[in-house]
Amino acid sequence: EAQVTQNPRYLITVTGKKLTVTCSQNMNHEYMSWYRQDPGLGLRQIYYSMNVEVTDKGDVPEGYKVSRKEKRNFPLILESPSPNQTSLYFCASSLTGTSAAYEQYFGPGTRLTVT
Amino acid sequence: GQNIDQPTEMTATEGAIVQINCTYQTSGFNGLFWYQQHAGEAPTFLSYNVLDGLEEKGRFSSFLSRSKGYSYLLLKELQMKDSASYLCAVVDSNYQLIWGAGTKLIIKP
Repeated sequence: EAQVTQNPRYLITVTGKKLTVTCSQNMNHEYMSWYRQDPGLGLRQIYYSMNVEVTDKGDVPEGYKVSRKEKRNFPLILESPSPNQTSLYFCASSLTGTSAAYEQYFGPGTRLTVT
Repeated sequence: GQNIDQPTEMTATEGAIVQINCTYQTSGFNGLFWYQQHAGEAPTFLSYNVLDGLEEKGRFSSFLSRSKGYSYLLLKELQMKDSASYLCAVVDSNYQLIWGAGTKLIIKP
């Protein structure tokens, strides 16, 4: 089954404790992206990757890191989480980032709470 | 700046028709997407428009007017399962998606 998976689905952590949210897709997609979603603000892009070893900042990259060493994986790293990073996070992938016509496939989401 | 406007919330009755509007101001235009998102779940693709006009897909239709910077999503024969948020997203000149905040649609029996 074609899908995007994220782990963990739920995470409660404390300020300053490094964490990684994994994302994996099995569709051989070139383009992958991380979003956060907060009430009333919609989806905001954190980072995206056009292909392996190519990553770029989105609209809200501060406090986050990513890497794309393999085509299928795109982990999101929070080196020192803070309460303002409490949010619902989505990973998404698309066939390519250089054509507009391909929809994004989203993972199930990770609900992160930082206390 | 780039901006997508959608109503925050709409209410409709089961079996009726509802139109959700989206207006946009972006640097360039390479298409417009509509996604459906049930509470606490991931967004799922509904439609993509790049040319002016109406695209029909079952009970859902999407319309685009590029000259007016305007799109709408039309939902017919509403069902309770259509209660969800509907997200409008525009692809700008750099092929980046600009997202609206979404419209929460409440269906009443």
